[in-house]
Amino acid sequence: EAGVTQFPSHSVIEKGQTVTLRCDPISGHDNLYWYRRVMGKEIKFLLHFVKESKQDESGMPNNRFLAERTGGTYSTLKVQPAELEDSGVYFCASSFRTAITDTQYFGPGTRLTVL
Amino acid sequence: GNSVTQMEGPVTLSEEAFLTINCTYTATGYPSLFWYVQYPGEGLQLLLKATKADDKGSNKGFEATYRKETTSFHLEKGSVQVSDSAVYFCALSGTSYGKLTFGQGTILTVHP
Repeated sequence: EAGVTQFPSHSVIEKGQTVTLRCDPISGHDNLYWYRRVMGKEIKFLLHFVKESKQDESGMPNNRFLAERTGGTYSTLKVQPAELEDSGVYFCASSFRTAITDTQYFGPGTRLTVL
Repeated sequence: GNSVTQMEGPVTLSEEAFLTINCTYTATGYPSLFWYVQYPGEGLQLLLKATKADDKGSNKGFEATYRKETTSFHLEKGSVQVSDSAVYFCALSGTSYGKLTFGQGTILTVHP
């Protein structure tokens, strides 16, 4: 069974540009999460989809970030325009159930560098 | 709100040494607790978990016990190997939607 995949693995962009990150969850997983780790700090929650609906987007830093999950399959996270403080590693995770006991399976992450 | 505090790193050990990485948490209700590991160049992998008080999670020789009275979930291994070198993250899930709150991560380096 394929795991969670993320694309690209690395992205280097200039301040003010737009970047779109993609996440493909494990097949059959209705729950999809985005997290971010900035400069060696703790990994922080960004948002949570259940199928195509945003269940919780309390962690989204500002309106320059837009996440979508059309059709309840893969998800994209767009940053427009990118700022220097957006640099970090963006992780995607998926789980089968919406439960605090359920394991989230993580992708390898996308390392975003904004110059 | 929920929070997780992890032992500051980096931790450097010799092979076959005993490992403890401390993790304490603050949460309302009855969270589930997790240890994730990130090996060099890879994504996060679940190492072990415990979903209720006094549960012990274990995997690959690592263990952690959910202690509600001390709000702790310390990670231990009796004899580390070079291949255990990685970043270890303690995390909790304390809402019905399952979002994770992480500690800051502890870098472990094991020398031969």
